[in-house]
Parts: sequence; C-alpha cells; structure tokens
Amino acid sequence: KNQVEQSPQSLIILEGKNCTLQCNYTVSPFSNLRWYKQDTGRGPVSLTIMTFSENTKSNGRYTATLDADTKQSSLHITASQLSDSASYICVVSANSGNTPLVFGKGTRLSVIA
Amino acid sequence: NAGVTQTPKFRVLKTGQSMTLLCAQDMNHEYMYWYRQDPGMGLRLIHYSVGEGTTAKGEVPDGYNVSRLKKQNFLLGLESAAPSQTSVYFCASSYSNLGLASSQYFGPGTRLLVL
Repeated sequence: KNQVEQSPQSLIILEGKNCTLQCNYTVSPFSNLRWYKQDTGRGPVSLTIMTFSENTKSNGRYTATLDADTKQSSLHITASQLSDSASYICVVSANSGNTPLVFGKGTRLSVIA
Repeated sequence: NAGVTQTPKFRVLKTGQSMTLLCAQDMNHEYMYWYRQDPGMGLRLIHYSVGEGTTAKGEVPDGYNVSRLKKQNFLLGLESAAPSQTSVYFCASSYSNLGLASSQYFGPGTRLLVL
C-alpha cells in the first residue's frame, strides 16, 4: 500500500535554531516528492519539488533532500523564524493512476522567541 | 490571477441540512480536487475531476456529490449534513496528474461545522 510517514508529529524550537523534518515513503512507481507548508487557517503552499534524479533542492532557508534508494526525504530549515511556524506536509507522487498523490499527515512546527 | 478561491469561508449547518461549496480556479487547469482535513488525519481526497463534465470518487466519497459543469468551477455538495462531516474542506487544481505538472494549487479552505 502506498504510504507516506512523517516524523516527528510536532516540534518546538527556539527562533534562530535549525531543524530537520523527516519523510519516509513506500509509493511506487515513484515520480516526484513535494514539501508543502501550511499556515494555520490557510491552504498548503508548495515549497520544493524533487524528481527521482534530484537529491537536493533549496528554496531560501528551506533545503529538501531525497534518497530514492532508501525512500527517505528530509526538509531542513535554517535559522528559523517565527513565521516558519506551520505544518509541513510531505507529498509523494506515483507515476501512474488518476489520483497518484499520497499525502503525509504533516509535522507541526512551532518556533518560539 | 486569483488562483484558487473557495466560498464560503465558514458555515454552520444543522444535521440534515444541505449545502454546496464552490471552488473556482483561473489557471485553466484540467484537474480539480476536493479534500477534507481533520486533526491527525492529514488531507483525504473526497472527489476529483479530470476535466469539464467528468467526476470520480476519491478516498472518502460517501455523503458527498460533485459537479464540474464548467472547467473553472468544481462544486461539492452535501445533501444531508452529518456531524461527522464537520471538517475543513480544501479545493485544489492542477494542470495534469502526472510528473511535475501535477503540482496542486490549493484554495484557502472552507471551515464547516455541523451541529
């Protein structure tokens, strides 16, 4: 069964610190992996997208990595800011079917001063 | 470009009442989706559409109906609302369903409370 597991479920860090969120998946055949940021009360917004051949992708202070062999991805946030407080959702796309997107349940990040 | 818009933003219903949620996109996307998001559950696909005039069931379709009469609009209907349908509903659209073009753009959500 296609699944996406994220860890931790929630995380609290001090402003200015770095953190790393994890995503493990069992989606096959794999097409691409996205990280979305969802602010409270808003819809998810795409941060990064990586295909099979890419192993790292940056978007400002956000850096995503992908290991297609171990089926793991991480999202690293550098020098966190209060505005980084949000849920981060890992979404894996299969290369077949009409509804190929598989969503993780998200990691809730809280950045405190 | 407004992107994906949803109306209403918030609604309270009594059990048994009906309502329709409207989603509109101005990006000329073929694919449109309705999700619900509940605490601890993540996003779950209710129904989707691969083009004007077509609809299909997703992961949790029971109790909902949809219509895609125009390419830019996707309607989600609740014929007889139940408390279990209390949730936040998100609409999304994408150009395609495969590869990089399958990136979905989400609306701001509709918060529904069924008493």
